[in-house]
Amino acid sequence: NAGVTQTPKFQVLKTGQSMTLQCAQDMNHEYMSWYRQDPGMGLRLIHYSVGAGITDQGEVPNGYNVSRSTTEDFPLRLLSAAPSQTSVYFCASTNRVNGYTFGSGTRLTVV
Amino acid sequence: AQSVTQLDSHVSVSEGTPVLLRCNYSSSYSPSLFWYVQHPNKGLQLLLKYTSAATLVKGINGFEAEFKKSETSFHLTKPSAHMSDAAEYFCVVSESFGNEKLTFGTGTRLTIIP
Repeated sequence: NAGVTQTPKFQVLKTGQSMTLQCAQDMNHEYMSWYRQDPGMGLRLIHYSVGAGITDQGEVPNGYNVSRSTTEDFPLRLLSAAPSQTSVYFCASTNRVNGYTFGSGTRLTVV
Repeated sequence: AQSVTQLDSHVSVSEGTPVLLRCNYSSSYSPSLFWYVQHPNKGLQLLLKYTSAATLVKGINGFEAEFKKSETSFHLTKPSAHMSDAAEYFCVVSESFGNEKLTFGTGTRLTIIP
C-alpha cells in the first residue's frame, strides 16, 4: 500500500551515539516533515522540507539534522543522542491538497 | 503566531451518546484546521480538515466539525459514540501557505463507556 514508511520501529541508543531515522514516501509528495511526540505535549515540528534540496527548521530543531536529496526520502539524523531525545518520532508528507499522511512512528529510547 | 488549545485533556462518554471534543485556535491569518485521531500505539489518521470552504466539515467515521470564526473554535462532534472511537484526538492549525508547518494541540483522550 502507498504511504509513509519509517524505519526502525524501535531503537535504543546510548548517550552520545548517533543514528539516522529513515523515512520514505511513494506518493510523490513535495512536502515532508518530522515531528516528535512527548506525553502531554502533542506533536512538535522538528524539521520540514518543501521539496528536494530544500529544508528548514521547525519548533524544536536542536540536536537534529535533515537532508532531502530525493523527493521520496527524508532522513532525520541524531548527531549525539541525549536522554531528552527519548520520544516517539513521526514522519509525514503531503501534496498540499489533502492533509498530511503520517508514518507509523519510531519509538526511540536514549539511556 | 498560530496556536491551538484543546479544552479537555480527557473526555468520557457512554456508547451511543454524543461526543463533543473542544478546540480553540489562534491565528494571524486565515488558517487551515484539522482533526487527527491516534489509536493506541498507532500513527495519526486524518479525520477532517477545514480550508476556508464550508464552515461545517464532514469527516470519516461520522465525525464532523464546525468552524466558528467569531469564537475562534473548531469543535469536533459525533452524534453517537462507538467503542472503536476510543483514542487520542488532536486539533491542528496551520497558517502557512502550503500547510508545511502544523501546530498540534496537546490532545484529548476519548474513553467510551460500554
